[in-house]
Amino acid sequence: EADIYQTPRYLVIGTGKKITLECSQTMGHDKMYWYQQDPGMELHLIHYSYGVNSTEKGDLSSESTVSRIRTEHFPLTLESARPSHTSQYLCASSEDSLEAFFGQGTRLTVV
Amino acid sequence: AQSVTQPDIHITVSEGASLELRCNYSYGATPYLFWYVQSPGQGLQLLLKYFSGDTLVQGIKGFEAEFKRSQSSFNLRKPSVHWSDAAEYFCAVIVSGGYNKLIFGAGTRLAVHP
Repeated sequence: EADIYQTPRYLVIGTGKKITLECSQTMGHDKMYWYQQDPGMELHLIHYSYGVNSTEKGDLSSESTVSRIRTEHFPLTLESARPSHTSQYLCASSEDSLEAFFGQGTRLTVV
Repeated sequence: AQSVTQPDIHITVSEGASLELRCNYSYGATPYLFWYVQSPGQGLQLLLKYFSGDTLVQGIKGFEAEFKRSQSSFNLRKPSVHWSDAAEYFCAVIVSGGYNKLIFGAGTRLAVHP
């Protein structure tokens, strides 16, 4: 079983609030990713990281930001949440085997 | 641009029936191909992967997939579906470039009738 954890699992928050979605992995993987998934839709890469102090934007433009201060931790932050940010956010990590391990996701609702 | 197409948005099968989920990719070189399954409210679990070698790959839960280069396809199959297989299935391809970026298809939602 994959050791990658996301908290919270569900979050309902008001417009304008700052939020941080947590993602941690205990596998020592250098590569980590954030995907956004709308209901019934494919996953879109919004951020990725090669390793500590490395972060890049993904294919889908996102107002969120990420940081990678420690190998095991890859939090995603929204400075001012809006209803358009309502979605599911999935964190993943991988190593040279190329297999990506996913967390259970955070379902965010902005009201 | 690289892309993954899953032509079937929804599929319904009876329990015990065979299953085939279609996946086509657009990619210049031989890709790394994956099938993931997502149960409701859960993350994604890897079913199987193809990198090279034998074009028929076996995965977990009795699933298999066949890579056909001439058709740019990587279809997922199972000979006898169980009610617990009801889920969303995603085909994905890795885009080479150093960061192992996965490109996903839109997914196929599988319903299983008793």
